[in-house]
Amino acid sequence: GENVEQHPSTLSVQEGDSAVIKCTYSDSASNYFPWYKQELGKRPQLIIDIRSNVGEKKDQRIAVTLNKTAKHFSLHITETQPEDSAVYFCAVTDSWGKLQFGAGTQVVVTP
Amino acid sequence: DADVTQTPRNRITKTGKRIMLECSQTKGHDRMYWYRQDPGLGLRLIYYSFDVKDINKGEISDGYSVSRQAQAKFSLSLESAIPNQTALYFCATSGSGTGNTIYFGEGSWLTVV
Repeated sequence: GENVEQHPSTLSVQEGDSAVIKCTYSDSASNYFPWYKQELGKRPQLIIDIRSNVGEKKDQRIAVTLNKTAKHFSLHITETQPEDSAVYFCAVTDSWGKLQFGAGTQVVVTP
Repeated sequence: DADVTQTPRNRITKTGKRIMLECSQTKGHDRMYWYRQDPGLGLRLIYYSFDVKDINKGEISDGYSVSRQAQAKFSLSLESAIPNQTALYFCATSGSGTGNTIYFGEGSWLTVV
């Protein structure tokens, strides 16, 4: 089955700096790659996603890049703010259409 | 949003007891899922259902069972709860096909003592 690895597990950044989280996957047939943000005590919520026919997608301060050849995709957060502190999960759709999640990255934005 | 509703939100139960977590959705989605979240282990799939007559095991189904009572309802049961089933449980839904966003319920905290 699909294997999703996410790095780093924790990330501490200064407010205003950029944060990058990377995920790798194993199934070359995977074609949908969402990112979820989970604030403390809340449910995961979709923040951005990308499909295999696109290499990059941006939404304000967040962007996702996909390298299908190398089977990895990354989340980029620019100009980080305290409200960006959360756990971020990458996910990959397997051949059955269900999502396989990475283990998560705890992002801490310090003032 | 309240489109995916889980009950109970919090429950403390004793080892060996049967416990049911219920999930209902108003999104009209065919697909429903139960995930378990433990610190550092992300979200692991317990069971999933792509329609009312379809039930599939996920990666950690041992010790759990499910029932899809209707398109909108999907319940998770622990027949004989054990302490290492203490976790945060999420129900989720999505539309059919690949590349559809998964929407999570608010979660159910289960503690087995």
